[in-house]
Amino acid sequence: KAGVTQTPRYLIKTRGQQVTLSCSPISGHRSVSWYQQTPGQGLQFLFEYFSETQRNKGNFPGRFSGRQFSNSRSEMNVSTLELGDSALYLCASSLGTAENTIYFGEGSWLTVV
Amino acid sequence: AQSVSQHNHHVILSEAASLELGCNYSYGGTVNLFWYVQYPGQHLQLLLKYFSGDPLVKGIKGFEAEFIKSKFSFNLRKPSVQWSDTAEYFCAVKGGGSYIPTFGRGTSLIVHP
Repeated sequence: KAGVTQTPRYLIKTRGQQVTLSCSPISGHRSVSWYQQTPGQGLQFLFEYFSETQRNKGNFPGRFSGRQFSNSRSEMNVSTLELGDSALYLCASSLGTAENTIYFGEGSWLTVV
Repeated sequence: AQSVSQHNHHVILSEAASLELGCNYSYGGTVNLFWYVQYPGQHLQLLLKYFSGDPLVKGIKGFEAEFIKSKFSFNLRKPSVQWSDTAEYFCAVKGGGSYIPTFGRGTSLIVHP
């Protein structure tokens, strides 16, 4: 069974640009959540989607947005990139019930210059 | 809001030493507890989890964790570490029917051969 797949794995963007990251969940998983990982802050929750609806949202500015498609695949977008957005962006999937475990992808490394 | 504290940010051990990483959380109700590990260059992997039942949970690679409800703790232990245990370890807590776990900031473990 394939794991969570994220693309692209590495990317470099310039300040002010926007970026879109993609995530394909484990087959059968309907929940996709996104995290930002940085050395000093650990894992910060961005948002979670379930059945194409945003179900939970973290404390990030509106420049960070996401969506989920009918096949459960998800994308997140960051507009007007800032240097501080440089981070590892992790996607995780689960069946979507409260009594379950989330499984992570390898992440997308974003560097903003 | 629930919070998770990992008091040891950096731990350095020699091979064969015993390991205990602390994790405390603030949520007072029913909780689901997790430890994830991130080996260098790899994605976050589930090490072990506690949902209910025996508070002593055994995970992969010889790790175990004990849920002590009265202390709001879920400490990770391994009797004898190996060089290959060098990694970042994250404690996570889901409470009260929440779909999303809250993560601690992580503990970096370095094991010297």
